[in-house]
Amino acid sequence: LAKTTQPISMDSYEGQEVNITCSHNNIATNDYITWYQQFPSQGPRFIIQGYKTKVTNEVASLFIPADRKSSTLSLPRVSLSDTAVYYCLVGGLKTGANNLFFGTGTRLTVIP
Amino acid sequence: EAQVTQNPRYLITVTGKKLTVTCSQNMNHEYMSWYRQDPGLGLRQIYYSMNVEVTDKGDVPEGYKVSRKEKRNFPLILESPSPNQTSLYFCASSDAGMALHFGNGTRLTVT
Repeated sequence: LAKTTQPISMDSYEGQEVNITCSHNNIATNDYITWYQQFPSQGPRFIIQGYKTKVTNEVASLFIPADRKSSTLSLPRVSLSDTAVYYCLVGGLKTGANNLFFGTGTRLTVIP
Repeated sequence: EAQVTQNPRYLITVTGKKLTVTCSQNMNHEYMSWYRQDPGLGLRQIYYSMNVEVTDKGDVPEGYKVSRKEKRNFPLILESPSPNQTSLYFCASSDAGMALHFGNGTRLTVT
């Protein structure tokens, strides 16, 4: 089971770009990397998923180096509403990694 | 609207009184799972199910039971709740693509 390591917390000012890095040294060949966002007392919400290189959607970008042992979630120009906990998951139902491990995530605080 | 529905949202009970938290999804997902969330411990998986009649233990299954008799429903059963099961519980479902869809949570207090 590939587990992940993320910083416990990060602070950023409004309008800045935020990069949150996740380490997953034991990632398997068929594992995907998925990021979630969670607000207090709500269920986590899917942000972005990737396998290699770079993926971008309307919310964020995900950068994955060639060795895939880490990944970086990039949030452009954060606002106060981006204050949340961000989780990095590695695995994939297609590969049989059904026991999906969330961990404690990274608590991002956006400062006015 | 595609959603995962948990009930109840809030539940206060006493030690030893059996309870069930229901979870239903309308997306025809094969995969469903239960998590509990406690301060400082993040989200920990209790049980998961790959399909009807197929369930397996997650990281913290002790004290919990689940069943998957139908594709859309995945109830969480606490046969004899104890105070250490006081927590925020989330149900989730997914297709094979691993983008989990979560319910709004059930806050359980066991006194």
